[in-house]
Formats: sequence, C-alpha cells, structure tokens
Amino acid sequence: EPEVTQTPSHQVTQMGQEVILRCVPISNHLYFYWYRQILGQKVEFLVSFYNNEISEKSEIFDDQFSVERPDGSNFTLKIRSTKLEDSAMYFCASNTGLGETQYFGPGTRLLVL
Amino acid sequence: KNEVEQSPQNLTAQEGEFITINCSYSVGISALHWLQQHPGGGIVSLFMLSSGKKKHGRLIATINIQEKHSSLHITASHPRDSAVYICAVFFGNEKLTFGTGTRLTIIP
Repeated sequence: EPEVTQTPSHQVTQMGQEVILRCVPISNHLYFYWYRQILGQKVEFLVSFYNNEISEKSEIFDDQFSVERPDGSNFTLKIRSTKLEDSAMYFCASNTGLGETQYFGPGTRLLVL
Repeated sequence: KNEVEQSPQNLTAQEGEFITINCSYSVGISALHWLQQHPGGGIVSLFMLSSGKKKHGRLIATINIQEKHSSLHITASHPRDSAVYICAVFFGNEKLTFGTGTRLTIIP
C-alpha cells in the first residue's frame, strides 16, 4: 500500500542553523501539508500546498519557514534559522483533494539545541 | 473561534471493555477525521466522516452534525488498541484543526 515517507526520522541541530525536512507524498496525491506537534501538545497545522504554491498557512508559518516541491516527488519544509521553540515532531501529509482523507508520514523529530 | 474538544483526556480500561471517546466542535464543519497516534509518534487515519456512521473492524465512528458531536467506539478492546486517539476537523477550509487527543490504555 502506498505511504507517505519522511526523512530524516530524527534531526538534531544548533540554534540558528538551517534545516530541511523532506517528504515524499503518495504519488497520485495533489495536496500536501505540513503539521507540527510540540512535545505534549496537540498537532498544529503549518501550511498546505497545491499546484506548486502555498494555498493556506497558519500564523506559525512565518518568514523563517518555506516549502518547496523541487521535483515531481519530494516536498520539503525549510526552517531558515532554527529557534529552540522549533523543537517538535513535524508531520507531512497528502491527499487527493480538498476535504479528502489525509495520509500522514511517520514524522521527523527535530531537536534544536 | 474554531475549537475542537475531546473527552476524556485519559481513559484506562480492561481488555474486552467497550470504549467510547467523544469529540465536540464549536461551529459547523465540512468533515471530521479520527486519527490514531502510537507511542512512537506516527499518525494513522482511522476514519473520515461528514455524516452518519462508519465501521471498520472493531472500530465505529458516528457523527451528529446538528449537535456538533462525534464519537469513536471500540468494541472488545485489546491492549494493542492502546494509543492516543485524536479528533480533527475541517472547518470548511483545507486545514485540519486538531483536538488534544485521548490517551487510551487497555490493561490485559
């Protein structure tokens, strides 16, 4: 069964460094999402992406964040200058259309020191 | 404000018991997800529903649009059902708004 994959599974970085989190959505899906979950808190929406552009973003998704679909398969989240409070689990998800079931990747656990 | 509330926050039950987890939301929605999050952190979609009832194996999800309420039921619970169950809704847009989750522990 097709699944969403994410790399790396864990990443440790120093404050101020740039990180890129990678996702490979399910191949026939058209909508892509990033969510984050700070330890002990609920999952929060960051951004949705469709037709090579951001379609919706939350207040969390400030200028330090960017997303890209550099080729036909990868979907990336870049954090330009990481802060301690960026430490969280980041989930990628994809689906075939608006309001359809979203399929989640296993997550990337990011720790900023 | 678009909010999602779940109850209970924590639930411990004996193997075999019938489990009910509740979700209520503040305004009209277009659809609702029930998700399962395992201790390792991965999230699996269990159901998406916008009306009525869905069943998959021992899991049943219902939604009452008028009352803005959904329930997830597990019949004949098993220790492998132990996980965090999360309700997430579409408030008419693309993004999912998540509840805080219900931590379920099934004791053998």
